[in-house]
Amino acid sequence: EKEMTQFPATLSVSPGESATLSCRASQSVGINLAWYQQKRGQAPRLLIYGASTRAIGIPARFSGSGSGTDFTLTISSLQSEDFAVYYCHQYNNWPPWTFGQGTKVEIK
Amino acid sequence: QLQLLESGPGLVKPSETLSLTCTISGGSISSGSFCWGWVRQAPGEGLEWIASVYYTGDIYYNPSLKRRVTVSVDTSKNQFSLKLRAVTAADTALYYCARHVMVRGIRTPRWFDSWGQGTLVSVTS
Repeated sequence: EKEMTQFPATLSVSPGESATLSCRASQSVGINLAWYQQKRGQAPRLLIYGASTRAIGIPARFSGSGSGTDFTLTISSLQSEDFAVYYCHQYNNWPPWTFGQGTKVEIK
Repeated sequence: QLQLLESGPGLVKPSETLSLTCTISGGSISSGSFCWGWVRQAPGEGLEWIASVYYTGDIYYNPSLKRRVTVSVDTSKNQFSLKLRAVTAADTALYYCARHVMVRGIRTPRWFDSWGQGTLVSVTS
């Protein structure tokens, strides 16, 4: 099973600053990686797929990069609505498709 | 606009079967471009994929849950369903249904692009 490790577990950022979230796969997943945002009490929302392609309606301040085992989600100029938990998800090899444990982005 | 709505009992007794249905509106379960999946989230925890089903009946299971899981599709009702047998307290979670994107030329589904709001199922006697 491909394990996905996200770090840091919690990231404290001031509004207007940038945030860099990391996700590492235990084995290469190519670019078969997605990122989701989950706000408290809400369902996850797709942000990025194919490691770097923004989903429909996702603001340009969200960007994804990486391939193989190391991936990054960058949120530039954090807005109040961006404080949430972010999950990476590998879909390279099944079974099973796996998620990281999440990074919580909180207000500093 | 696609909407997914989970429904089912919020309480299940240990050793019994959890049964949930996801009703799709604003889209067709028979679209060849998508599978339909179940993902759960235990309280305070991360996301765990359970299974995904194509409208033809092809099913993808998480091996850790496969022996207890049944998923099915009802194209006439535009619904798909999850049954999880022999539940324990560890199965207490928020259960989401989600649309699982298929990419042309690739046999297995890829990312989840739309999610229901989730339904909380508690396993308790």
